[in-house]
Amino acid sequence: DAGITQSPRHKVTETGTPVTLRCHQTENHRYMYWYRQDPGHGLRLIHYSYGVKDTDKGEVSDGYSVSRSKTEDFLLTLESATSSQTSVYFCAISESQGTGHGYTFGSGTRLTVV
Amino acid sequence: GNSVTQMEGPVTLSEEAFLTINCTYTATGYPSLFWYVQYPGEGLQLLLKATKADDKGSNKGFEATYRKETTSFHLEKGSVQVSDSAVYFCALYNAGNMLTFGGGTRLMVKP
Repeated sequence: DAGITQSPRHKVTETGTPVTLRCHQTENHRYMYWYRQDPGHGLRLIHYSYGVKDTDKGEVSDGYSVSRSKTEDFLLTLESATSSQTSVYFCAISESQGTGHGYTFGSGTRLTVV
Repeated sequence: GNSVTQMEGPVTLSEEAFLTINCTYTATGYPSLFWYVQYPGEGLQLLLKATKADDKGSNKGFEATYRKETTSFHLEKGSVQVSDSAVYFCALYNAGNMLTFGGGTRLMVKP
């Protein structure tokens, strides 16, 4: 992918434990996003960031928090993982919010909460 | 609000068949429209886009025309290949909002 990496690629964790997923970009893009992908729901936005320390909620933000202390890193934290948070998580970046600009996606993190 | 509706899959075709994946949208104003493709085990990749009415986006033999009168952006390809097997997502961007995705349509092409 074009300068965007997610880690880890796979993770299994127990219910009630905190989990942090990392998204790292080398494109110096201002906007970063976290989505989750579930069968029958497509992609749903969890949180997004429009700059360092500037974040906002998406449509499915409950149970998740984010932080962006540097332009290149956007962290997603599940405060206390639940089975309903088993999903594939994708990070995306974009240069601007202007029309015509698509997003670049990472390869995803498959999270299983047991 | 904004929404995108895609035909449910899976769509199963034989190699060299004609492909259409329907996409309709609801939005105010003049959104930009996109098709993304997700190959197995990978993230989404931008396939094509159109930013205004009557624009045609095209890439890798795929094309889609922005039809404002029918609020549609159907994806077409004249002759599919096994390598086109993937999940296809229609999406829209509207000023001041995030990218909104449809539910995805899985395409399976058999040799």
